[in-house]
Amino acid sequence: GESVGLHLPTLSVQEGDNSIINCAYSNSASDYFIWYKQESGKGPQFIIDIRSNMDKRQGQRVTVLLNKTVKHLSLQIAATQPGDSAVYFCAENKGGQNFVFGPGTRLSVLP
Amino acid sequence: DAGITQSPRHKVTETGTPVTLRCHQTENHRYMYWYRQDPGHGLRLIHYSYGVKDTDKGEVSDGYSVSRSKTEDFLLTLESATSSQTSVYFCAISGDRSQETQYFGPGTRLLVL
Repeated sequence: GESVGLHLPTLSVQEGDNSIINCAYSNSASDYFIWYKQESGKGPQFIIDIRSNMDKRQGQRVTVLLNKTVKHLSLQIAATQPGDSAVYFCAENKGGQNFVFGPGTRLSVLP
Repeated sequence: DAGITQSPRHKVTETGTPVTLRCHQTENHRYMYWYRQDPGHGLRLIHYSYGVKDTDKGEVSDGYSVSRSKTEDFLLTLESATSSQTSVYFCAISGDRSQETQYFGPGTRLLVL
């Protein structure tokens, strides 16, 4: 799993700019990954997923990139909006139904 | 929240008392999970269920028990609550296939005094 700490890393972006949120995963054999968005006081919400046979997957305003060589995952949000402010975290599938979740990054959208 | 409800949404209790949290789904999904979320940590699996009366332990199962008597309901019980169990608890569900996406409920915020 990822290292833990009391304070989440924060990414601040201007409204309208693109955001890039990163995630490092631990197991080179992991082959399924998910990005979740969690707004304050709510449950995690599925954004997009990707399997290891792909390098890139696009959704509506979001793109996930997978670099298996360095075990790195990123989430790109285009034209970031105030409603995108939330904590974003990745989930790594360790086989079957077993996922490991990162602690997340807080995205703050500045007006 | 993908047809998942949790009750109660908030609870304050005292050390040593029993607490039961309920997760209810309307999706008829096979798998159900209980996680806890603490500041600075990723979600950690407490217990999960792969069918009625079929459950197994997760990473942080000590002090917790679960039961699943119906497909739609998954109960998490703290037999004797401790302050270290103060947390936000999330239920999740997923379907039958391997590596399926997990969908989460709205959470229960538990404070143990």
